Amino acid sequence: QKEVEQDPGPLSVPEGAIVSLNCTYSNSAFQYFMWYRQYSRKGPELLMYTYSSGNKEDGRFTAQVDKSSKYISLFIRDSQPSDSATYLCAMSGTTGGSYIPTFGRGTSLIVHP
Amino acid sequence: DAGVIQSPRHEVTEMGQEVTLRCKPISGHNSLFWYRQTMMRGLELLIYFNNNVPIDDSGMPEDRFSAKMPNASFSTLKIQPSEPRDSAVYFCASSSQGMSAGELFFGEGSRLTVL
Repeated sequence: QKEVEQDPGPLSVPEGAIVSLNCTYSNSAFQYFMWYRQYSRKGPELLMYTYSSGNKEDGRFTAQVDKSSKYISLFIRDSQPSDSATYLCAMSGTTGGSYIPTFGRGTSLIVHP
Repeated sequence: DAGVIQSPRHEVTEMGQEVTLRCKPISGHNSLFWYRQTMMRGLELLIYFNNNVPIDDSGMPEDRFSAKMPNASFSTLKIQPSEPRDSAVYFCASSSQGMSAGELFFGEGSRLTVL
């Protein structure tokens, strides 16, 4: 079992839909939880990060962490075609004082007009 | 501000040839990472440098792979000899310890095809 599991999709939704992206993990030492967005033929860019459990909202994006279930989610409200990208979850915890993130495989999202 | 710069963007080579990928991290960042991305395995960490010193190279698949960071503004990833299974997108990323834990800044990647 990989440390971080993420359904690769693709997930196809109509414009305006609410999108839910999820990851599960097995390492209870993870403390920081991140979502990166990767457009086609580009490098990943940090979208959101949260520490420990709880919710964090930024505009149309909401990140949720449930450490008891080892489950994290990213919700996108009022999805737009420009949101079409691959979304990678990433997690990290202290490893010798350095935080090296472990990435999921990414979920491909397609928002069609 | 210039981001992480990688070269070449695309490389097509034949099996057995040497491949060298280059990376210039963001100025002031003291950590540098090399990742490999494939459809099957996703984004895998190959090696990590801190203050130009290799800290963790456990992800380097085999002795054909080597990485160096001779100074704070330059790193190379070399594959010799290359094999078709090395075909992937190779990303370089940098970070600063003063920034959010785990926040990496990625380059645009080097797409390698080994025939």
